[in-house]
Formats: sequence, structure tokens, C-alpha cells
Amino acid sequence: AQKITQTQPGMFVQEKEAVTLDCTYDTSDPSYGLFWYKQPSSGEMIFLIYQGSYDQQNATEGRYSLNFQKARKSANLVISASQLGDSAMYFCAMREGKGAQKLVFGQGTRLTINP
Amino acid sequence: DAGVIQSPRHEVTEMGQEVTLRCKPISGHNSLFWYRQTMMRGLELLIYFNNNVPIDDSGMPEDRFSAKMPNASFSTLKIQPSEPRDSAVYFCASRFKVWLAGIKPTGELFFGEGSRLTVL
Repeated sequence: AQKITQTQPGMFVQEKEAVTLDCTYDTSDPSYGLFWYKQPSSGEMIFLIYQGSYDQQNATEGRYSLNFQKARKSANLVISASQLGDSAMYFCAMREGKGAQKLVFGQGTRLTINP
Repeated sequence: DAGVIQSPRHEVTEMGQEVTLRCKPISGHNSLFWYRQTMMRGLELLIYFNNNVPIDDSGMPEDRFSAKMPNASFSTLKIQPSEPRDSAVYFCASRFKVWLAGIKPTGELFFGEGSRLTVL
């Protein structure tokens, strides 16, 4: 079974609009962490935001916020006021279990921002 | 501060040749990860080290792949012999686990720019 599911292979959004990238996860462990990474066309992986399973509030980092719905096992990334530079692949990832180290990644969503 | 440094950035080789990919993690980081990225399989963890010791190599495809971390500042991923299906982007990443100023680290991985391998 997939641990991380990103159901949107591609998304097209108008510049300055908000965009939500979906991510659902599968775990029975109460302790886990969720991450979002951005991969622009140049190829590097850029860390965006983190949400811990015990965090009471949704994580925010600048224009990025994470809509964490624990009961639904979803951790959607919200980008406000999208910019042309936001065009990239976006990956959701999970670290499962207390003390765990490795991240398991979803298949990614390709986001294209149109001018 | 320098990030994770990988070399070579691009490698083109012929089937059967030995390939060695190199990684220098961020100074002070005590965990190192090797990932492989392909269109078909996405990002897969190959192996990771804690304090230079291999912890989980269950993602290593087969005996043709080997990884070493002789010290805290250097790691290699070797493929011998290489095959066309090994063509991929190989990422090295590192992280630290130390609490700083009482703040628990989130544990995100810091990635290098990747090594793009093409096996003909």
C-alpha cells in the first residue's frame, strides 16, 4: 500500500491565485512527521514546511501553509498568492515512527503557474 | 554554509562500467541518505547512515550497488557493473538530530543537487 498519495499529477493555476496540493498518508503509528519539498526544473530538492503529528496548530512558513486534517490523514499544502517561480514539482513525504529517520515520498504534483 | 555537495553532477557511461558517486554532507550532520529518482519509481531511499554506520540498506536494488561512509564528511555510492536501468538521478541528503537552543529539530533532509547518471 502506498504510504503517501498525491492524486494530482499536474495542476495549472493563474498567477496570484491560491493553490492547494493534495496529500494523503497511511500510517498506524501515532508519531510521525509530514514534509513538503519543492523541486524546480533545475532539479534540487528544497524543503518547504513540516508538520508533526502531535502539533496542535497547522504549520505555516511565509506563503506556505499546511492544512493538516489528522482524522482524514491528509496534509495538503496551500500556497497563497502564487508566483511564476512557484512552478515546480511538489513532493509530500512522511517520516513514520518515533525516532524514525527515513522519509518516504509521494509521486509528486507538477504545478504550473500561468501569467 | 556549504550545502550537501555531490559529484559528479553528470555521468555518462557504458553498460558494464563501474560508477562511483560521491557526497559530502553538511558539516555537523550525523545522518546521511542516498535516494534515487526515476520517472517510473519516483524517489526511492537506497540506504542511510547514522554516525557513519549503515542503518538500513533494504532499498539497495541488488549486489551491484554498494555504499560506504568512511568518515563523517564523505560517502560513496558505487555501482559495479552498471546497467541501463540504473540510469537515474541520485541524490545524497543529510540531516542532524541535535537539539539547538532547546528547539527540537524537525528532521528535514537537506539534499544535494543530485548526480544524473546515464548508462548506455
